[in-house]
Amino acid sequence: DIQMTQSPASLSASLEEIVTITCQPSQDIGNYLSWYQQKPGKSPQLLIHSATSLADGVPSGFSGSRSGTQYSLKINRLQVEDTGIYYCLQGYSAPYTFGAGTKLELK
Amino acid sequence: QVQLEESGPGLMQPSETLSLTCTVSGFSLTSNGVGWVRQPLGKGLVWMGTIWAGGSTNYNSAVQSRLSISRDTSKSQVFLKMNSLQPEDTGTYYCARPHINYYSGYYFDYWGQGVMVTVSS
Repeated sequence: DIQMTQSPASLSASLEEIVTITCQPSQDIGNYLSWYQQKPGKSPQLLIHSATSLADGVPSGFSGSRSGTQYSLKINRLQVEDTGIYYCLQGYSAPYTFGAGTKLELK
Repeated sequence: QVQLEESGPGLMQPSETLSLTCTVSGFSLTSNGVGWVRQPLGKGLVWMGTIWAGGSTNYNSAVQSRLSISRDTSKSQVFLKMNSLQPEDTGTYYCARPHINYYSGYYFDYWGQGVMVTVSS
């Protein structure tokens, strides 16, 4: 199984700050990486697919990138509504595996 | 408008069989698959399995021996059955629509609201 190492586990940031969350797979997954935001009591929502493609309706302040085998989700100018838990998912091979999550809070 | 809605019993006894239904609208089960994802209380997301548009399935090996996913395309419903429930199966169960192609791989573009299942005696 492909293991997804996501960091940090938690993050406290100020309004308008730039936030970066990373995921590293245990083997090559190409661009088969997606990112999700989950708010308390809600289902996850797709933010990014194909490592860098913004999902429909997602604010442009979110972006995804890849550098070698490390994948990053960047939030530009953190807003109140961006708090929640963020997960990555590798879509390369089954069992499709999620990162452990990053809890993002406002400082 | 794509929608998925899970339904099923909220409380189960250990050793019982869980049956959940995912009713979809806005897309056809013969054109799109449906996946199931579990989230233990306060923990992360775990992919359980997928039924594909052609009707084939694949499962997470961690639960494969206990899990079955099937569908009724005429009713736009997908079913999850998992036997020999244990307290550690407690959590929220989501159905979601997977998107898969050569460029993107597998990801979920729409999710249901989830159904909480508690396994306790």
